[in-house]
Amino acid sequence: AQSVTQPDIHITVSEGASLELRCNYSYGATPYLFWYVQSPGQGLQLLLKYFSGDTLVQGIKGFEAEFKRSQSSFNLRKPSVHWSDAAEYFCAVGSKAAGNKLTFGGGTRVLVKP
Amino acid sequence: DAGVIQSPRHEVTEMGQEVTLRCKPISGHNSLFWYRQTMMRGLELLIYFNNNVPIDDSGMPEDRFSAKMPNASFSTLKIQPSEPRDSAVYFCASSLAIRSAEVSGELFFGEGSRLTVL
Repeated sequence: AQSVTQPDIHITVSEGASLELRCNYSYGATPYLFWYVQSPGQGLQLLLKYFSGDTLVQGIKGFEAEFKRSQSSFNLRKPSVHWSDAAEYFCAVGSKAAGNKLTFGGGTRVLVKP
Repeated sequence: DAGVIQSPRHEVTEMGQEVTLRCKPISGHNSLFWYRQTMMRGLELLIYFNNNVPIDDSGMPEDRFSAKMPNASFSTLKIQPSEPRDSAVYFCASSLAIRSAEVSGELFFGEGSRLTVL
């Protein structure tokens, strides 16, 4: 069975500072990995995904994530945070074997200080 | 191109009443998912369909919950009778089945239906 852990429930960061959100997954085969962002009152929007190939993937809004198989991690980063990045972020894992079913982590809520 | 459309956006009802939530997936998508989000339990998968057929309903809380997908462009989630503990935001999402790096199963979410059961 696949599972996802996001160790940090809340993170507070100053505007302009860098951000890193942690994600660890558990899955036997090569997973498909995703990061989603949810703004208040909205649905989830895809930020980026890893399917295969280059382990450093670029997404929208200046975000990137790196797949590290040895650490079973897919951490999300942004070099300089903007106030509009305040939201909740979800990591998810999927696979063909799971029949398109994505398993989501518990989410990390990001607060941005002026 | 229209995204996933859910209705109603907000519903307030009394305990014991029937609630029906509706979803129109993105045209051409062949998988549809119903999720429930609460503060306590986070994002939970209730049920999902591939090609209009229910594949996994193990997340459906109990018999009070039922979901249907009569055709590729419409799905409903029904709660009868509703209870206060059903209060949550219910999301519908759709996707294309995984088959390539370009079509890797990412979900497209609707804006959710916020249900309050008094």
